[in-house]
Amino acid sequence: AQSVTQLGSHVSVSEGALVLLRCNYSSSVPPYLFWYVQYPNQGLQLLLKYTSAATLVKGINGFEAEFKKSETSFHLTKPSAHMSDAAEYFCAVSGRTYKYIFGTGTRLKVLA
Amino acid sequence: KAGVTQTPRYLIKTRGQQVTLSCSPISGHRSVSWYQQTPGQGLQFLFEYFSETQRNKGNFPGRFSGRQFSNSRSEMNVSTLELGDSALYLCASSLQGGGTEAFFGQGTRLTVV
Repeated sequence: AQSVTQLGSHVSVSEGALVLLRCNYSSSVPPYLFWYVQYPNQGLQLLLKYTSAATLVKGINGFEAEFKKSETSFHLTKPSAHMSDAAEYFCAVSGRTYKYIFGTGTRLKVLA
Repeated sequence: KAGVTQTPRYLIKTRGQQVTLSCSPISGHRSVSWYQQTPGQGLQFLFEYFSETQRNKGNFPGRFSGRQFSNSRSEMNVSTLELGDSALYLCASSLQGGGTEAFFGQGTRLTVV
């Protein structure tokens, strides 16, 4: 069975500081991994995806994530936080079951 | 190209009523999946359709049903509404489902009173 764990339901960073959002996955088959962002009263927007082509994945808005099989992790980072990054972030895993399994989300707050 | 369109955006229904939500996927996408999002349970998978066939279903009661039409548009229906059905219902379309990136609509906010 596949699952995703996001550590930290709330993360606060100062504007300009490093953003690190943690995601650990469990999968019995090579996973497809995704990060999505959700702004208030909106749907989910894809930030980036891992599909085994490269372990370091670059996404939109300056975000990137590194797939570490030995640690079963897929943490999301951004070197310098911007006020507009304040949102909720979801890590998701998918495979051959035709569904996406989402983590519980991390709400990012950016302090001025 | 046009994104995923969900209608309506907001709904208020009374307990015991039924409701139908609609989702138009991105052109060329044949997979449509539905999710329920609540503060307490997060994003929960409801079901996924591909070329009019349901390929997977989540752990929801039979009151929740769906279908997909030949043009890939999808509807989900909830009968005998309960207060606990109040949620944001999100539709996602993708080329083939699991493994391919999913694009989400803005959701339908259902409030049951």
